[in-house]
Amino acid sequence: DSGVTQTPKHLITATGQRVTLRCSPRSGDLSVYWYQQSLDQGLQFLIQYYNGEERAKGNILERFSAQQFPDLHSELNLSSLELGDSALYFCASSPRDRAHEQYFGPGTRLTVT
Amino acid sequence: GQQLNQSPQSMFIQEGEDVSMNCTSSSIFNTWLWYKQDPGEGPVLLIALYKAGELTSNGRLTAQFGTTRKDSFLNISASIPSDVGIYFCAGPPKNYGGSQGNLIFGKGTKLSVKP
Repeated sequence: DSGVTQTPKHLITATGQRVTLRCSPRSGDLSVYWYQQSLDQGLQFLIQYYNGEERAKGNILERFSAQQFPDLHSELNLSSLELGDSALYFCASSPRDRAHEQYFGPGTRLTVT
Repeated sequence: GQQLNQSPQSMFIQEGEDVSMNCTSSSIFNTWLWYKQDPGEGPVLLIALYKAGELTSNGRLTAQFGTTRKDSFLNISASIPSDVGIYFCAGPPKNYGGSQGNLIFGKGTKLSVKP
């Protein structure tokens, strides 16, 4: 158990819909990262938040957005969903002084039908 | 953009065998990380490397930061069934700075058990 929690574990929804994925980092970690894992693209970095502020952005679509709340949990919002958005979405957190040593949650499997 | 190339893509092991895999890039990385992912779970950090030439062990796992900074190697000695999974190398892109921690991942090496 990494200490990072993600809900829900599975999500099935239809094209055009909007969903919210939730993540709680390990106790004491200020950074939260979101990654997408698909069969063809592998693990791709989406976005990082550090203590409530956006810190780095990767290949995140405009239809996707995220935020980190004062209690440090984070939400990833995916809207106008397309079939190609079906993937595993992982959240990770890292210690303050070792940003690259990231601890991943169990993931949310999103299926868009 | 920067890419990490892992080889082999897959390999089959028999219990007790030693395993070697590597990760290469056309550009320099200042940090190399190795993760393992089991089916249906998130990647688990195995080893982090921060200095060129560094050799670090974690139990039966040993990883090396290549001296050119463009490659890294992971060895598993005396493999056991629970070593089965996908092994990823990762590193920060060259435009990162400060507390940015985003990582680039290789496509992985899948370790399976020989029938």
